[in-house]
Amino acid sequence: EVQLVESGGGLVQPGGSLRLSCAASGFTFSSYEMNWVRQAPGKGLEWVSYISSSGSTIYYADSVKGRFTISRDNAKNSLYLQMNSLRAEDTAVYYCARDLELGVLDYWGQGTLVTVSS
Amino acid sequence: DIVMTQSPDSLAVSLGERATINCKSSQSVLYSSNNKNYLAWYQQKPGQPPKLLIYWASTRESGVPDRFSGSGSGTDFTLTISSLQAEDVAVYYCQQYYSTPLFTFGPGTKVDIK
Repeated sequence: EVQLVESGGGLVQPGGSLRLSCAASGFTFSSYEMNWVRQAPGKGLEWVSYISSSGSTIYYADSVKGRFTISRDNAKNSLYLQMNSLRAEDTAVYYCARDLELGVLDYWGQGTLVTVSS
Repeated sequence: DIVMTQSPDSLAVSLGERATINCKSSQSVLYSSNNKNYLAWYQQKPGQPPKLLIYWASTRESGVPDRFSGSGSGTDFTLTISSLQAEDVAVYYCQQYYSTPLFTFGPGTKVDIK
């Protein structure tokens, strides 16, 4: 059974940092591209970042470029999102999602809540 | 960026009746070289992550009931629930992946029971 389990969320002050993790199991993690997608409270879905299966190709939404860094460790079946210079508007549930093909997201984790507030 | 819009924002349908959700993209998501529409639909129930329902505009994901169907091409798409069940109460999002991996979602349509 495919499982994606996010962790690392919490309350952080504006300007602070957090590192999110996504532990994958039930599939060959190294064969799949992965994404982070976020959802602000009561709002819709916003794609955040993409990483290729090898980690060699990375993309970011303009809203997080220069502040967030996506990475993966295929040996540990894990995906990461390093978030720096956090702003109030980064407050959201962050989901990791497996990319079935070309951006079709077939499995999602339960999400981890990041709250940026003083 | 490709902007996605959905209509209506919300709808209430009687059990067993048809629900129809529309999605429009600001530019065509039909890739001419393979004649495929890069459009997916997701269902999100309260407190849960999104669930993939349909991709390539009309291909149902494994395990999705056949009362869910997708149609459309180019810039205009529709998700139809042929006979609404209580468990279908959710928010439904369309997503374009034509500009993958910089894909975008629609704002969502909330479906309730009348």
